[in-house]
Parts: sequence; C-alpha cells; structure tokens
Amino acid sequence: EAEVAQSPRYKITEKSQAVAFWCDPISGHATLYWYRQILGQGPELLVQFQDESVVDDSQLPKDRFSAERLKGVDSTLKIQPAELGDSAMYLCASSLTPTSGIYEQYFGPGTRLTVT
Amino acid sequence: KQEVTQIPAALSVPEGENLVLNCSFTDSAIYNLQWFRQDPGKGLTSLLLIQSSQREQTSGRLNASLDKSSGRSTLYIAASQPGDSATYLCAVMQGGSEKLVFGKGTKLTVNP
Repeated sequence: EAEVAQSPRYKITEKSQAVAFWCDPISGHATLYWYRQILGQGPELLVQFQDESVVDDSQLPKDRFSAERLKGVDSTLKIQPAELGDSAMYLCASSLTPTSGIYEQYFGPGTRLTVT
Repeated sequence: KQEVTQIPAALSVPEGENLVLNCSFTDSAIYNLQWFRQDPGKGLTSLLLIQSSQREQTSGRLNASLDKSSGRSTLYIAASQPGDSATYLCAVMQGGSEKLVFGKGTKLTVNP
C-alpha cells in the first residue's frame, strides 16, 4: 500500500540552529500539506501546495519558516532559526487532485522535533 | 472560525465494551469529516471519511455518523480490544477549503 514518506523521524537541534524536514507524498497526489502538532493538541495546517504552487500559507510563520515543492512532487519544510516553541511533531499529508472530488488526506509518520 | 470539540478528552473501558466518541463542530458548512487514529509518537491513520451528503460510514467494528445540521459526529467502536487503545482525532474540511480543522482528540484506553 502506498504511503507518505517523511524523514528524519526524530530531530534534536539547538536553539538558533537551522533544521529541515523532507516529505514524499503518495504517487499521483497533487496536493501536499504540512501540519504542526503540539503535544496534546490536534494538528494545525502550516502550508498547502497544489502541485508546486502554494495554496494556503496563512498560518506559516514566514519570518523563520519556509517551504518548497519545486517539481511538484516531494517537499521540504525549513526552520531557521529554530526556537524552543518549535518543539512539536511535524506531519506531512497528501491527497488526490480537487477534480477527483476526493479530498481524503493520508498522513506520513511525522518528524518529532525537539529544540534544546 | 471553525472550532472542533471532542468529548471526552480521555476514556478508559474494559475489553469487550461498546463505546462512543463524540465530536462537535461550530460551522455546519463542511465538505467532509474524517476520523483518525494516532498511536503515541506516531502519525495519523485515517479510519473513516464521511462526505457532507452522507449520514454514516462503516468499517469493520467502526461506525461513524454525521449530523451536519446539528454539528455533530460520533464514532462507535464495537467490542473494544486492547489494540484499540490510541488517541482518536476528528477533523472537518470546510467547504471552499481543503484545510482540515482538528479537535484535540480523545485518548482511549481499553483494559484487558
């Protein structure tokens, strides 16, 4: 069964350092999402891509976070500089194109970030 | 702004019991509602998706219902097993947006 791949699974970094996460969506899924989940909370959307274009990045802290999906396939989320409050689980999800009428989102295993 | 609430926050039951998890949302203009399972430190596994035009969906021992007009959904788990222990998250997709808005989840413990 096809799955969303993410790496690394765990990352420990010091405050003010740069960190990057990678996501490879299910093949054929045009829409890709990055969510952040703080412990004990539900995930919150950071950024949504349709192919290589950003559709929604209204909740992305743009002073320190950036995201790209250059060829419309895999994606990278970067934080620079990392702050203590960035410690969380970063989840990637993907779904089929809107024209399919199917919006079910499939999530990857996540990257657990700890900032010290 | 859409808000999703899940009650109870935690639930502990003996093995074999049937149980119901509740989810409510403030804006009924949703496209769909999705139930997920999350094991500790892991990603989300999709359990059931209900389109706004549907009333319920079933998968094995799971049954999810949707009452859009009242802003409520329930997840029914029959004959619970220790392996069902996890956090269950409810999420709604707003009409006109593909963003999922999540509740905080219900942490379920099924005791042998």
